[in-house]
Amino acid sequence: GAVVSQHPSRVICKSGTSVKIECRSLDFQATTMFWYRQFPKQSLMLMATSNEGSKATYEQGVEKDKFLINHASLTLSTLTVTSAHPEDSSFYICSARRRGEVYEQYFGPGTRLTVT
Amino acid sequence: GNSVTQMEGPVTLSEEAFLTINCTYTATGYPSLFWYVQYPGEGLQLLLKATKADDKGSNKGFEATYRKETTSFHLEKGSVQVSDSAVYFCALSAGGAGGTSYGKLTFGQGTILTVHP
Repeated sequence: GAVVSQHPSRVICKSGTSVKIECRSLDFQATTMFWYRQFPKQSLMLMATSNEGSKATYEQGVEKDKFLINHASLTLSTLTVTSAHPEDSSFYICSARRRGEVYEQYFGPGTRLTVT
Repeated sequence: GNSVTQMEGPVTLSEEAFLTINCTYTATGYPSLFWYVQYPGEGLQLLLKATKADDKGSNKGFEATYRKETTSFHLEKGSVQVSDSAVYFCALSAGGAGGTSYGKLTFGQGTILTVHP
């Protein structure tokens, strides 16, 4: 299999604080990880692409300083939402691409972030 | 840019009914096309894919054919089950190796399917 986990599954934080979300590939090496945001009843929006050991590539309109992405190893990527505000409340989903594969992505179950 | 348009849901069917979920796309080059399924409380899973024109992807009784002339990739199943209740996403991946779009997925808005016994 190719299992991707995310932690936490749900988090509530106060406005102005930072939150870190972890994405792990449990049984394979992920050379590339992707971070998406999903609004209610809407599609997934790609935020950024991260390759192990290099800086993330952000999509147009995504603030790099607000959404910090680190891909420190072949099995772990983190997304930190800095100085969170209520409008950052959303469902964040990561996916991972296995070494040697081209198109397939394996998705985590998502993290529900609520900023109060 | 690339885009994917799915038929709007939600779709509600009785068990054993025929299912079609329409998907059309706009892309530069020759994209690969995918259907992903998201069961309640779980992550997206790849349901089927097609990488070139006229290819038919199939899995678990679901099928979709890559139609370049109509830029479509409609999902079909002849007889749905209650366990098929989920959200279905059509997606494409376009861009050559090494390009900025390499391997990136563009998703449709998702279609909620509910199957009643």
